[in-house]
Amino acid sequence: DAKTTQPNSMESNEEEPVHLPCNHSTISGTDYIHWYRQLPSQGPEYVIHGLTSNVNNRMASLAIAEDRKSSTLILHRATLRDAAVYYCILPRYSGGGADGLTFGKGTHLIIQP
Amino acid sequence: DTGVSQNPRHKITKRGQNVTFRCDPISEHNRLYWYRQTLGQGPEFLTYFQNEAQLEKSRLLSDRFSAERPKGSFSTLEIQRTEQGDSAMYLCASSSQGDGVPQHFGDGTRLSIL
Repeated sequence: DAKTTQPNSMESNEEEPVHLPCNHSTISGTDYIHWYRQLPSQGPEYVIHGLTSNVNNRMASLAIAEDRKSSTLILHRATLRDAAVYYCILPRYSGGGADGLTFGKGTHLIIQP
Repeated sequence: DTGVSQNPRHKITKRGQNVTFRCDPISEHNRLYWYRQTLGQGPEFLTYFQNEAQLEKSRLLSDRFSAERPKGSFSTLEIQRTEQGDSAMYLCASSSQGDGVPQHFGDGTRLSIL
């Protein structure tokens, strides 16, 4: 997987928007940008992914820079349940499917009540 | 919605014993992955299957580790002659074919070696 860089930790207040950045300056034209999160004592949970255009789903939005060298995961209204480690990953695909993912250290998101 | 199921959730065993974990993927997914996660670290890839074929193995997968997916459905991960350093969370994930598709994870099996 191509390398990504994320802040070690971020803090936000409950019910406020959260913007989690990710740099991926060596991204190739065919790399998808995926975000996963991991709550304590649970397996990672898929959040969202995109290729070139911004994406929205029920969990979050993904804003992708025009040059694709960075992206931002947006939680529109954080709750205490959003406290987790967030991973930005550029999976490698071969044989028609994803290869094993390379998780970095991710961003530890702390939500203050 | 039936997600990825892993059993057991917790396993405590003595050093030197063999252990086996089971993973039941989402039924229509033909790719199945195993990861290991130690405290404070992100998950590390171990191996993956496409149907019953094991396509890739990480260097982390020592010869004491073996994984199978005999009929392309559930998978087992066996660790022989367990060591203290094997204590970790073992995670399973599955995905369908196609570009961009995400992986869906189970909640893992936590292994503790006494």
